[in-house]
Amino acid sequence: GQQLNQSPQSMFIQEGEDVSMNCTSSSIFNTWLWYKQDPGEGPVLLIALYKAGELTSNGRLTAQFGITRKDSFLNISASIPSDVGIYFCAPNTGNQFYFGTGTSLTVIP
Amino acid sequence: GAGVSQSPSNKVTEKGKDVELRCDPISGHTALYWYRQSLGQGLEFLIYFQGNSAPDKSGLPSDRFSAERTGGSVSTLTIQRTQQEDSAVYLCASSLFGVGWEQYFGPGTRLTVT
Repeated sequence: GQQLNQSPQSMFIQEGEDVSMNCTSSSIFNTWLWYKQDPGEGPVLLIALYKAGELTSNGRLTAQFGITRKDSFLNISASIPSDVGIYFCAPNTGNQFYFGTGTSLTVIP
Repeated sequence: GAGVSQSPSNKVTEKGKDVELRCDPISGHTALYWYRQSLGQGLEFLIYFQGNSAPDKSGLPSDRFSAERTGGSVSTLTIQRTQQEDSAVYLCASSLFGVGWEQYFGPGTRLTVT
C-alpha cells in the first residue's frame, strides 16, 4: 500500500532560524498541499502545489513539488513565535488523499 | 462568510453511551470530510462525502461509527456504545469540490469518554 513519511516529527528551534520539513511517498501524486494547525484549532491551508517541479512562496514560506511527484518540502525562513504549531503535508490524486503524520514546531523566543 | 462549524465543542460521555457530533459545512461546498485526531497525533481519516455519490467509509474504525449527510449539507457523526479509546478531537472539513480542493476545517469537537 501507499506509504507517506513526514519528517522530522518535531523540531525545537530558536526564533529567527530557518526551518525545513519534508514528505516522501511511495506513490506519485497530482497535488501537494501543506496545512498548519494552531493549538486547539483545525488545520489551515498554507500552500498548494499542482505541478511537478513547482516552487511556490507565500511570505516566509516556500514549498516545492518534487520532480518525481513523490515528495515535497516546506521551508520557513526567519521563524517567529507564531509559527508554532503542527504542519501537515496532504498529497492527493484522483479520489485518493492523505495527510502526513505532522511536524510539530516549537519556536523558542 | 461563515466557516465550518461543529457542535458541541466539548462532549463528555460515559462509556457505553451513544454520541452525535454535528458539522455545518460552508454553504455551497459539495464535499465533506470527518477526521479523528488523538492528542499530539496526526489526522485519521474517517469518512468522505462528495455530492450525491456514495460516501467513502473506508476510514471508519468499527461498525460503532456511522455518519450521514442530509440534503448535501449538515452532517452527523454517530458513535454508538462509546469506548474510552474513542476519546479524541473529531474534526470536520468541507471543500468546494472533491479531492484536491482546499479543505476548510472546523474547530473540532473534543470527545472524552469516561
